[in-house]
Amino acid sequence: DIQMTQSPSSLSASVGDRVTITCQTSQDINNSLNWYQQKPGKAPKLLIYDASNLETGVPSRFSGSGSGTDFTFSISSLQPEDIATYYCQQYDNLPLTFGGGTKVEMK
Amino acid sequence: QVQLVESGGGVVQPGRSRRLSCVASGFTFNNYGMHWVRQAPGKGLEWVAITWYDGVNKYYADSVKGRFTISRDNSKNTLYLQMDSLRAEDTAVYYCARDKSGTSLYAMDVWGQGTTVTVSS
Repeated sequence: DIQMTQSPSSLSASVGDRVTITCQTSQDINNSLNWYQQKPGKAPKLLIYDASNLETGVPSRFSGSGSGTDFTFSISSLQPEDIATYYCQQYDNLPLTFGGGTKVEMK
Repeated sequence: QVQLVESGGGVVQPGRSRRLSCVASGFTFNNYGMHWVRQAPGKGLEWVAITWYDGVNKYYADSVKGRFTISRDNSKNTLYLQMDSLRAEDTAVYYCARDKSGTSLYAMDVWGQGTTVTVSS
């Protein structure tokens, strides 16, 4: 199984701050990585697919980059509605695996 | 609009069975692969199973292999998860999710609201 190491597990930031989350995989997955946002009590929502492609309707302040084993997810200017937990997920190989999540809180 | 609605959750005793359903609307169901993903209380996301567009090929997480069965009825736009020999560690919110692809792995772009399964005596 491909192991996903996501960091940090939590962070606190202010409105307007740039937020960065990293995801490292245990083997090369090319760009087969997605990022999801999950708000409390809600289903996950796809934000980024193929490591860097913005899903339709997702604000442009969200972005993703990376390939191989190292990936980065960023929010360029944190907004109050971005408070959520974010997960990376690989689809290079079964079983599909998720990172442990990063809880983003407002300072 | 594009929508997935799960049902079938509830409290079930260890060792018993439960079947979850997920009804799709707003898109051509038989064009897409479909997943089940679960989330234990206070924990992260765990992928459970996938079926391709035609319901022939199916794959499972090791944690549920041999106990859970994913299936679909394309004539009813419905995805199922038959869960047998349930254990306490199967307690979770179960989500169905659409894959962007019909025949390969990609991204889960549409999710249901989830249905809660609690395994307890």
